[in-house]
Amino acid sequence: EPEVTQTPSHQVTQMGQEVILRCVPISNHLYFYWYRQILGQKVEFLVSFYNNEISEKSEIFDDQFSVERPDGSNFTLKIRSTKLEDSAMYFCASSRGNTGGGQPQHFGDGTRLSIL
Amino acid sequence: RKEVEQDPGPFNVPEGATVAFNCTYSNSASQSFFWYRQDCRKEPKLLMSVYSSGNEDGRFTAQLNRASQYISLLIRDSKLSDSATYLCACLRGGTALIFGKGTTLSVSS
Repeated sequence: EPEVTQTPSHQVTQMGQEVILRCVPISNHLYFYWYRQILGQKVEFLVSFYNNEISEKSEIFDDQFSVERPDGSNFTLKIRSTKLEDSAMYFCASSRGNTGGGQPQHFGDGTRLSIL
Repeated sequence: RKEVEQDPGPFNVPEGATVAFNCTYSNSASQSFFWYRQDCRKEPKLLMSVYSSGNEDGRFTAQLNRASQYISLLIRDSKLSDSATYLCACLRGGTALIFGKGTTLSVSS
């Protein structure tokens, strides 16, 4: 069964450094997402991306965050200047079509980001 | 009121038991609903979509009550492997899934 893959599985970074999290969505999917989950808390929506632009973003997704689809397969999340509170599990997801039309989102196994 | 609320549990049940979880949502405009399962420190895995008419997938049944703004998940004949956290998710806007904190299920032999 096709799946969303994420790299690295664990990233340790000094506060203030830039970090890029990478995702390869399922190949025939058109919508891409990033979520995060702080330890012990709920999964939180960050951003959705379709047709090479952001569709929707949450209040968490401020100017420190950006997303890009640099080629036909990768989808990246960049955090420009990391803060301690950015420590979390970051999940990439993709869907074949719009979730509003009933297409479910499928999640990758996550990147654990630890900010020191 | 939180957008999506779930009883955190834990629900401790013996193998073979039937267990039900509820989830309430505050946004009456939400159109799409899902149940996900999350094992400890792993990714949410889609369990099932929830349709207005209710739907069943093997031992799992999901129901939607739009008037009362809640969705439910029923698990029959619980297995040890059903032990996990069950996440309710509602769609806000066109693309953002809003998750509850999850309900923890522990099935024992």
